[in-house]
Amino acid sequence: GQQLNQSPQSMFIQEGEDVSMNCTSSSIFNTWLWYKQDPGEGPVLLIALYKAGELTSNGRLTAQFGITRKDSFLNISASIPSDVGIYFCAGRPNYGGSQGNLIFGKGTKLSVKP
Amino acid sequence: GAVVSQHPSRVICKSGTSVKIECRSLDFQATTMFWYRQFPKKSLMLMATSNEGSKATYEQGVEKDKFLINHASLTLSTLTVTSAHPEDSSFYICSARDAGTSGRRGSYEQYFGPGTRLTVT
Repeated sequence: GQQLNQSPQSMFIQEGEDVSMNCTSSSIFNTWLWYKQDPGEGPVLLIALYKAGELTSNGRLTAQFGITRKDSFLNISASIPSDVGIYFCAGRPNYGGSQGNLIFGKGTKLSVKP
Repeated sequence: GAVVSQHPSRVICKSGTSVKIECRSLDFQATTMFWYRQFPKKSLMLMATSNEGSKATYEQGVEKDKFLINHASLTLSTLTVTSAHPEDSSFYICSARDAGTSGRRGSYEQYFGPGTRLTVT
């Protein structure tokens, strides 16, 4: 079935650093969403993208819908300790059988550098 | 806006009993709700898509007789884990899609509940 490749799987951040993660797919997507999940809680929607090339910001977060419609990236600028958590990308494939259901990446775990 | 609640947040039950988990959209109507299962340090696994007033659509490999889903209103879907066993222990998360945005930008955004931690002993 359709899969999303999300990378990196994990990364360590130092306060103030910029962070970047991305998702790629083997086929075209119509929608890209980025979520953050804290331990023991449900994912929270950060940014939604609907158009190829679209660049959207939410505070220190910026995400882009790739021109090829097969990828998306999320950047976090000037990271702070509360940015730690797991970030998931999710996309809606461009084929009718999906019923609009989202496909999720495996997540990028952000931790604080020891 | 777009708040989804789940109840209970945590439940411990004995093997062989049934457990019902509720998912509610608090400030919007949701014609479609989704149920996910998440294992530790893993991504979300879609179990089923729940449409108000009709039967749920289950993903391949998910037993519909074991995981009963009812979406009786535009703001409530329930998942009942029947005859639970220890291997059913997991984090169950629901999400809802805002019916009010259907056909418009934002119509495929899903809003997640806080999750229910099920432990079967």
